[in-house]
Amino acid sequence: EDQVTQSPEALRLQEGESSSLNCSYTVSGLRGLFWYRQDPGKGPEFLFTLYSAGEEKEKERLKATLTKKESFLHITAPKPEDSATYLCAATSGGYNKLIFGAGTRLAVHP
Amino acid sequence: DAGVIQSPRHEVTEMGQEVTLRCKPISGHDYLFWYRQTMMRGLELLIYFNNNVPIDDSGMPEDRFSAKMPNASFSTLKIQPSEPRDSAVYFCASRYTGEQYFGPGTRLTVT
Repeated sequence: EDQVTQSPEALRLQEGESSSLNCSYTVSGLRGLFWYRQDPGKGPEFLFTLYSAGEEKEKERLKATLTKKESFLHITAPKPEDSATYLCAATSGGYNKLIFGAGTRLAVHP
Repeated sequence: DAGVIQSPRHEVTEMGQEVTLRCKPISGHDYLFWYRQTMMRGLELLIYFNNNVPIDDSGMPEDRFSAKMPNASFSTLKIQPSEPRDSAVYFCASRYTGEQYFGPGTRLTVT
C-alpha cells in the first residue's frame, strides 16, 4: 500500500536554529514528490516538486532534497514567519492522486 | 489571478440537512480536485475531474456525497443528508500541469 510518513510530528526551533523535516514514502514508481506549506485556516500552498533521486530545489531559507526512499526539507536560519505545518505528498500514477503525509507542525520562536 | 475560490468559508448545519460547497478553479486549469482534511485522517482526495468529467471518485466516502462540474469554472460538492462525522475542512484544488493549487477551504460543522 502506498504510504507517506512525516517526522517529527511537531518541531520547535529558536530563530536562526537550522533543522530538517523528513518525509518517507513507499510508493511504487514515484512520479513526483511535493512539498506544501499550510498556515492555520488556509489551504496548502505549493512549495516544491521533486521528480528524481538526487534532485534539489531551493526557495529562500528552504531546500528540498529527494532520495529513493525519502525527502528532506531543510530550513536554514528560520524566522518566526516560517512557522506553519509542512506537508509532503507523493504520487505514482500521474499528478492527480496525491498521497499526503500527516504533516510536521513547525514553530519558530524569536 | 485570484486563485481557487471556495464558498462558503464556514458552514454550520444540523444533522440531516443538505450541504452544498462551491468551487471556482483557476482559469485555464483543466483538472479539479475535492479534498477533505481532518485531524484523524489528514488530507484525503475525494474526487477529481478532468475537462469537467469525473475521473476518479473512489475517495468519496458514501453515497451521501456527490460532486458535479457543470462547466470549466464551477464545481459543487454536495452532502445529503449530512452527519456529524462529516465535520471537516473541505478543499478544492486545481491544476494545469504539475502541482495542484488549493483554495482556502470550507470549514463544515454538522451538529
